[in-house]
Amino acid sequence: GEEVAQTPKHLVRGEGQKAKLYCAPIKGHSYVFWYQQVLKNEFKFLISFQNENVFDETGMPKERFSAKCLPNSPCSLEIQATKLEDSAVYFCASSQFSFGYTFGSGTRLTVV
Amino acid sequence: KNEVEQSPQNLTAQEGEFITINCSYSVGISALHWLQQHPGGGIVSLFMLSSGKKKHGRLIATINIQEKHSSLHITASHPRDSAVYICAPDTGAGSYQLTFGKGTKLSVIP
Repeated sequence: GEEVAQTPKHLVRGEGQKAKLYCAPIKGHSYVFWYQQVLKNEFKFLISFQNENVFDETGMPKERFSAKCLPNSPCSLEIQATKLEDSAVYFCASSQFSFGYTFGSGTRLTVV
Repeated sequence: KNEVEQSPQNLTAQEGEFITINCSYSVGISALHWLQQHPGGGIVSLFMLSSGKKKHGRLIATINIQEKHSSLHITASHPRDSAVYICAPDTGAGSYQLTFGKGTKLSVIP
């Protein structure tokens, strides 16, 4: 079946290093969302895209976080100079609205 | 301020029991999602509701827009239903972002 593919599954970075996460949405889905799950059930919205355009970036910590969705490439979320508090599971989801969301399996980022 | 309240936080049931999880929200929404997060961490979208009731297998979701309340019911519960169930309204005023409840951890005992 169709799935949202997130890579890598696990990522370990030293404090201050860069981290880059990838998400391949389902073909035909126009919207991509990134969410951060910090504690067991604490989710935070980061950013959304409509195709390759930023749709809503109200949740992004702009100093160190950036994201892109370019044509014919997986979407990416990049964190420059990671901090301990960036340790979390990052979920990507794609949607074609009438049909709800499909979530990826997440990338667990551990900053040490 | 908590825009989304779920109850109960934890629920233990015997196999076969009927289960209800409740969700109240304080803002206007365009749709409400029920999600299931398994112990391994993966998230599955169960329902997207904007009115009335939906049914899929043993799962039923209802929403009352006027009362800002939704419920998820599981009939004939099974140990494989053990997971965290999360209510997530689309409260983004047109941005489609979800606001997540804190989840209900369900354990179904054989």
